[in-house]
Amino acid sequence: EIVMTQSPATLSVSPGERATLSCRASQSAGSNLAWYLQKPGQGPRLLIYGASTRATGTPARFSGSGSGTDFTLTISSLQSEDFAVYYCQQYNDWPQTFGQGTKVEIK
Amino acid sequence: EVQVLESGGGLVQPGGSLRLSCAASAFIFSNSAMSWVRQAPGKGLELVSGISAIGESTYYADSVKGRFTISRDNSKNTLYLQMNSLRVEDTALYYCAKDGVGALPKYYFDYWGQGTLVTVSS
Repeated sequence: EIVMTQSPATLSVSPGERATLSCRASQSAGSNLAWYLQKPGQGPRLLIYGASTRATGTPARFSGSGSGTDFTLTISSLQSEDFAVYYCQQYNDWPQTFGQGTKVEIK
Repeated sequence: EVQVLESGGGLVQPGGSLRLSCAASAFIFSNSAMSWVRQAPGKGLELVSGISAIGESTYYADSVKGRFTISRDNSKNTLYLQMNSLRVEDTALYYCAKDGVGALPKYYFDYWGQGTLVTVSS
C-alpha cells in the first residue's frame, strides 16, 4: 500500500499568516490526493480533492498543489477556525491511505 | 443537508462482537459507495472497509479481514459493520464516510459522521 508522510507534525502559526503543509507519497499517487480538516470532537471535513480542486464550501484561502509523490496544502491567511489537524489521503490505489496528520496551532 | 449518523458503539470484551449502523439522509444512498474509517485514540485515520453502491463489491483492510463484515440496506438508507472476534487494537472511533465520486468505494470521502466509539477491553 502507498504510505503517506506529512510534515511537519506540528505547525505554529499566527492568525493572518500563511501556512504551508506537505504530504509525500511512497509511490506515485497521480493527482488522486485529498486534504481534510479535523477539529476536536468532529469527523474530518473534505477540503480539497484531485490535489487542487476545492470542495463545496471550502474558502478560497485554501489551495492545493502537486502531483505524483509531492503535494502541498497552503492556507494563505490563517483564520481562527483554521486551527485544527489536517490529513492528506491518496486514492490512486486501494486501500486509500492517510497521512498521520499535521496539527496547525496558534503561535 | 447530507448527514450520516453512526450508532452501535460501546464497551466489549476481547473476542466479543458489535454491530455498527450508519443512517444516511439527504442524498441518494443507493447511488453512493460507503466506507468505514477508524481512528484509534490520539492516532490517525485508517480505512477499515468499503462497499459499492448496490453492495455487490466489498473491500477490507488486512487487519480486519475475516473478522468484520460490511453490508448495506438501501431500502433503509443504512450501512452496517458487523465486528466479530474483537481485539484490544480495534479500540477506536469508527466513522461512516460517503464516497465523493460514485458507485465504487475507491475515492475520497465527501461526508463523514461524528463517529461511534468502540472500546475493546477486559
